[in-house]
Amino acid sequence: EVRLVQSGAEVRKPGESLKISCQGSGHSLTNYWIAWVRQMPGKGLEWMGIIYLGDSETRYSPSFQGQVTISADKSLTTAYLRWSSLKTSDTAIYYCAKLPYCSSNSWGFCYMDVWGNGTTVTVSS
Amino acid sequence: QSALSQPRSVSGSPGQAVTITCTGTSSDVGGYNYVSWYQQHPGKVPKVIIYDVTKRPSGVPDRLSGSKSGNTASLTISGLQAEDEADYYCCSYAGRHILIFGGGTKLTVL
Repeated sequence: EVRLVQSGAEVRKPGESLKISCQGSGHSLTNYWIAWVRQMPGKGLEWMGIIYLGDSETRYSPSFQGQVTISADKSLTTAYLRWSSLKTSDTAIYYCAKLPYCSSNSWGFCYMDVWGNGTTVTVSS
Repeated sequence: QSALSQPRSVSGSPGQAVTITCTGTSSDVGGYNYVSWYQQHPGKVPKVIIYDVTKRPSGVPDRLSGSKSGNTASLTISGLQAEDEADYYCCSYAGRHILIFGGGTKLTVL
């Protein structure tokens, strides 16, 4: 069974950089897409972007393009989410989620089946 | 892209049925049969309950069902139980390797 284990809670000041991680275990993940999802305090889920662990092909939601960087290390079956300059509005829980292979379309994914435990990021001066 | 439109809240009594709608456009919900639904209890991780519009993952009871008509997808929960009280989010493929969520619906079991 695949599990996604995320890095621990972080507290940073505005303007600082940060990189959080999502490591897969229990099965080879190199042929899967991993998504990042934001949930601001008391708010809904927002899809940020996606990365294919096999070749690090990455796509971003227009809302998050240029705001964060998604990367991966295939050898570690780990995906990352990075900020170069945090804002207080980045305070949120960030989830990673695996997308199983979907053979019925050309892009290869349909939904998110396994979710990480979430990483709480607090940005405050 | 804008978030898919969901009612902010719905409610029902135990044993009743409720339906949560998810309205998008022909570029997302209406254009693809890749709508999924996620259940999130307070303080918990989201869990997929419906995918590919109508399919249920193993372990999800058949009193939860999904459907779609045009640009609107729906989640119906029959035989409401107290454990169904949670937030529900729809999600659709929107082209160009992008997914988009709905704003979420809070289900209250009266």
